[in-house]
Amino acid sequence: DAGITQSPRHKVTETGTPVTLRCHQTENHRYMYWYRQDPGHGLRLIHYSYGVKDTDKGEVSDGYSVSRSKTEDFLLTLESATSSQTSVYFCAISADGDTQYFGPGTRLTVL
Amino acid sequence: SQKIEQNSEALNIQEGKTATLTCNYTNYSPAYLQWYRQDPGRGPVFLLLIRENEKEKRKERLKVTFDTTLKQSLFHITASQPADSATYLCALEDSSASKIIFGSGTRLSIRP
Repeated sequence: DAGITQSPRHKVTETGTPVTLRCHQTENHRYMYWYRQDPGHGLRLIHYSYGVKDTDKGEVSDGYSVSRSKTEDFLLTLESATSSQTSVYFCAISADGDTQYFGPGTRLTVL
Repeated sequence: SQKIEQNSEALNIQEGKTATLTCNYTNYSPAYLQWYRQDPGRGPVFLLLIRENEKEKRKERLKVTFDTTLKQSLFHITASQPADSATYLCALEDSSASKIIFGSGTRLSIRP
């Protein structure tokens, strides 16, 4: 998985609780992305980063925030989890903003 | 509105035949298009990138075409094998937003 890890790999939480997912890379790539994947919707971009402390919103950013304080780490926070945020979350990295390399995914269930 | 569509949700073909997957888009002018493979429970894996000035690209048994007039890319797997069974995603560059947009994928099954 191109030097990308995601943690946790599985999480079950309750509605209203905050949740943080972590993406860690060892490739020193400039770009990092968070996607969610749901049946019938494919991969949808939540937020992305183009450098340390530089982030921007994707198409489904409501209810999510991100932080990137180091090149290697990109955190996704669900401020108050809702059942609609039950999904599989993928982190991806890219050196040039073109080809992306994906992590193994985190399966999140919000009850 | 902008759309990227992979026409078949699922495709079943016999081993040894050529599998052809289609990706169509509307209201985008991508500088390039990519294809990824995704196995169950895993993240997508990059396969090929084709730029707008390239008509065709090959990698081993894989071939991709890109027709900017038809706004379509075709992805071919020749001499298909059961190990090629997976979901294949196309993705294009949305130059207006500097982002990659993914299609919802085609699930390919190769039967022995």
